[in-house]
Amino acid sequence: GAVVSQHPSRVICKSGTSVKIECRSLDFQATTMFWYRQFPKQSLMLMATSNEGSKATYEQGVEKDKFLINHASLTLSTLTVTSAHPEDSSFYICSARALLAGNTGELFFGEGSRLTVL
Amino acid sequence: GQQLNQSPQSMFIQEGEDVSMNCTSSSIFNTWLWYKQDPGEGPVLLIALYKAGELTSNGRLTAQFGITRKDSFLNISASIPSDVGIYFCAGQLRAGGTSYGKLTFGQGTILTVHP
Repeated sequence: GAVVSQHPSRVICKSGTSVKIECRSLDFQATTMFWYRQFPKQSLMLMATSNEGSKATYEQGVEKDKFLINHASLTLSTLTVTSAHPEDSSFYICSARALLAGNTGELFFGEGSRLTVL
Repeated sequence: GQQLNQSPQSMFIQEGEDVSMNCTSSSIFNTWLWYKQDPGEGPVLLIALYKAGELTSNGRLTAQFGITRKDSFLNISASIPSDVGIYFCAGQLRAGGTSYGKLTFGQGTILTVHP
């Protein structure tokens, strides 16, 4: 089946630095990808919708200048956490919509990326 | 905005027992989805429901899309140790269009199965 891969799976950085997380659709093209954040023992909260070739749409309360999203190709979206602080430490998960033959569209999730900001 | 209330928050059961969890919403969804998440991993789709009243099974799992479109339940029969994990319901407003795939998640149900 379709696979979505995230990299890195774990990252530790110092406060004030920027971190980039990649989300790739490995065997299908994804015009739309979604970025979620999940704090420990909590649910997934949608941060933004990433559209290939256009600006991302951010959910209310998510700072677009802090969480930069780039969807430069049909198989890659990146999330950059700029000037990261300890409160940004979280599990970041992407999902991608696949338009497969004979299918109305199916959603696949990546494995997640755990960010720890010291 | 959309909110999903999922219950129970956690369950501790013996292997072989049946499990039931449900989600309710303050408003209508067009699609209900049930996911399982293992620690440190992304959610994996278990069952997708697309029509009000739909009852769908996947092995030992059965889920239903409420007739009002505001609720859904998931049943797991004859639980086994590998059923351990966090189960999330998720609702989606649109069946198509650019917002397809934009999900609202419930708070999750932590399932523990004792051998």
